[in-house]
Amino acid sequence: QQPVQSPQAVILREGEDAVINCSSSKALYSVHWYRQKHGEAPVFLMILLKGGEQKGHDKISASFNEKKQQSSLYLTASQLSYSGTYFCGTVNAGGTSYGKLTFGQGTILTVHP
Amino acid sequence: GAVVSQHPSWVICKSGTSVKIECRSLDFQATTMFWYRQFPKQSLMLMATSNEGSKATYEQGVEKDKFLINHASLTLSTLTVTSAHPEDSSFYICSASFWGTGELFFGEGSRLTVL
Repeated sequence: QQPVQSPQAVILREGEDAVINCSSSKALYSVHWYRQKHGEAPVFLMILLKGGEQKGHDKISASFNEKKQQSSLYLTASQLSYSGTYFCGTVNAGGTSYGKLTFGQGTILTVHP
Repeated sequence: GAVVSQHPSWVICKSGTSVKIECRSLDFQATTMFWYRQFPKQSLMLMATSNEGSKATYEQGVEKDKFLINHASLTLSTLTVTSAHPEDSSFYICSASFWGTGELFFGEGSRLTVL
């Protein structure tokens, strides 16, 4: 079953912050985050493997609450280059196919000058 | 980082013809590759899991006789859309999982337009 992302769309001005949430109805092994620009393939942002794990680089970070089966992506001091569609991809706990991701419906992020 | 290359990046064909898309892992061995399909403004939907040396595993609702997948080597998987029809027009993306980090690397994608 597809994880649910919220919000569906976000509009920001440069320098503003945003949070994108990803929620699953199933127990998760890992959560992956990707950003996709129009007409291009998704680009890997980060993977979270353990419950409670938090990761980040530059001004993009993420957390994974295993108990709640949720993950959040945090974008701080947004830049124009952050614009795109953000997807979370989940791997269910106990899955037999390593790397088999189920993607959320995506969150469209638009950053204006 | 690991690179996955996909070819062709776009293809236009007539209805009824077959189209082959190649996916190569350039600097690592990928025993498993995945094929996704993405319609405009929609999410990526997994079509099948491609396993080197064995038959692909298709997701529910994906016609295995229409979307032929061959994973003949550790670096190459191919998707053949047989007897393509306009409704098969889509963005097809392959990916390979890098065992070391768990990252899923995507190819550049192939945009198929069936006239």
